[in-house]
Amino acid sequence: KQEVTQIPAALSVPEGENLVLNCSFTDSAIYNLQWFRQDPGKGLTSLLLIQSSQREQTSGRLNASLDKSSGRSTLYIAASQPGDSATYLCAVSRGGADGLTFGKGTHLIIQP
Amino acid sequence: DAGITQSPRHKVTETGTPVTLRCHQTENHRYMYWYRQDPGHGLRLIHYSYGVKDTDKGEVSDGYSVSRSKTEDFLLTLESATSSQTSVYFCAIGPGGSSYEQYFGPGTRLTVT
Repeated sequence: KQEVTQIPAALSVPEGENLVLNCSFTDSAIYNLQWFRQDPGKGLTSLLLIQSSQREQTSGRLNASLDKSSGRSTLYIAASQPGDSATYLCAVSRGGADGLTFGKGTHLIIQP
Repeated sequence: DAGITQSPRHKVTETGTPVTLRCHQTENHRYMYWYRQDPGHGLRLIHYSYGVKDTDKGEVSDGYSVSRSKTEDFLLTLESATSSQTSVYFCAIGPGGSSYEQYFGPGTRLTVT
């Protein structure tokens, strides 16, 4: 059974810092990995998707990397802002119709 | 934003009553999913659909049934609600078209008293 772990569970940093969120998964037979953001009481917003054949994806200040063989992904946030405060979720898929297996998230607070 | 709506957005019901949650999409995606989100457990897959009338069970399907009679609608039914089914329920669609991503609806907060 696939298990996804996110470390740390919570993180509080001052505005302007660069930071890294970690995600690990136990079964390397994934098709893709997706990072989401969730604001309190809201749905999930897709941030980045990395296919298993890719090593990284970038969107603005966000960069996600994937090392499939070691079962790890990182989400790098550059020059953090208070508006980045949210819970960040990592999820993996085996492809096709299979649903996503989620980690429990990293709760991020950016202090002004 | 992907065109996904969920109804109702909030519901309070009593133990033992049937409840149906609706997910509606305007993206014509083949794949649709129901997840529940609970503190300490994160998001878990309940059921999914890979086409009209084609559905299958996920990780936590006990006590739930689903139906999909049209591409755009995916219904989740709790036949006899229990307090353990108090949760936030999310519908998702995708992958589809040129995207491999899943997109999520706004969620339904269900309380079973």
